[in-house]
Amino acid sequence: SQKIEQNSEALNIQEGKTATLTCNYTNYSPAYLQWYRQDPGRGPVFLLLIRENEKEKRKERLKVTFDTTLKQSLFHITASQPADSATYLCALDGGTGANNLFFGTGTRLTVIP
Amino acid sequence: DTGVSQDPRHKITKRGQNVTFRCDPISEHNRLYWYRQTLGQGPEFLTYFQNEAQLEKSRLLSDRFSAERPKGSFSTLEIQRTEQGDSAMYLCASSLNRGEYGYTFGSGTRLTVV
Repeated sequence: SQKIEQNSEALNIQEGKTATLTCNYTNYSPAYLQWYRQDPGRGPVFLLLIRENEKEKRKERLKVTFDTTLKQSLFHITASQPADSATYLCALDGGTGANNLFFGTGTRLTVIP
Repeated sequence: DTGVSQDPRHKITKRGQNVTFRCDPISEHNRLYWYRQTLGQGPEFLTYFQNEAQLEKSRLLSDRFSAERPKGSFSTLEIQRTEQGDSAMYLCASSLNRGEYGYTFGSGTRLTVV
C-alpha cells in the first residue's frame, strides 16, 4: 500500500540549531515533493517544491533534498527560531496523471528559546 | 485577492442535520480541491475541480457528500445526514494547473457533529 511517513510526531530543538525533518514514501513515483507549514487552527502554507530530477533546493534558511532512489526527502531549517515552531507536512503528487497531493501526518517542531 | 477564503470558520451541528461549506479560491487558479483533516493527521484528499468540472473523487467521499463549483468560481461542499465521524477540519485549496507552484489553502471550516 502507499505510505508517506514523517520521522517523528514531535521534534524539540534549541534555538539556533538546525532542525532536520524526514519524509519517507513507499509505492509512489512522484514528479515532485512539497513541504508545507501548518500552525494550529490554520490551513497549511506552501514552503518549497522540489522536482524528481532535482537533488536540492534552498530558500532563505530552508533546504530540501530529494532522493528518489531512497524515496526520501530531508527538510532542514538552519539557525532555527521560536517562530519556526509549527507542524511541517510533506506532500507528494501521485505521479504521472495524478491530480492531487498526498500528505504525510506531519512533524510538530518546537524550537526552545 | 487575499487568498483562499472559507466560510464558516466553525460549525456545530446535530447528528443527522445537513451542512454546507463555501470556498472562494484565488481567482487566477483553475483547480480547486477539498481535503479533510482530523487531529494528528495530514490532510486527506476528497475531491477536485478543474474549472467547473469535478474530475476526481476519493472513495472517502461517501454518497452523503456532494461538491459543486458552478461557473468555475466558488465551490460548496455539502454533507447530508451528518454523523459524528464527519467531525473534522474541512480544507479548501486552489492551484494553478497541477500545483507546480504549490497549493494555497484556506483556513478551513471546523465541523463538530454532536
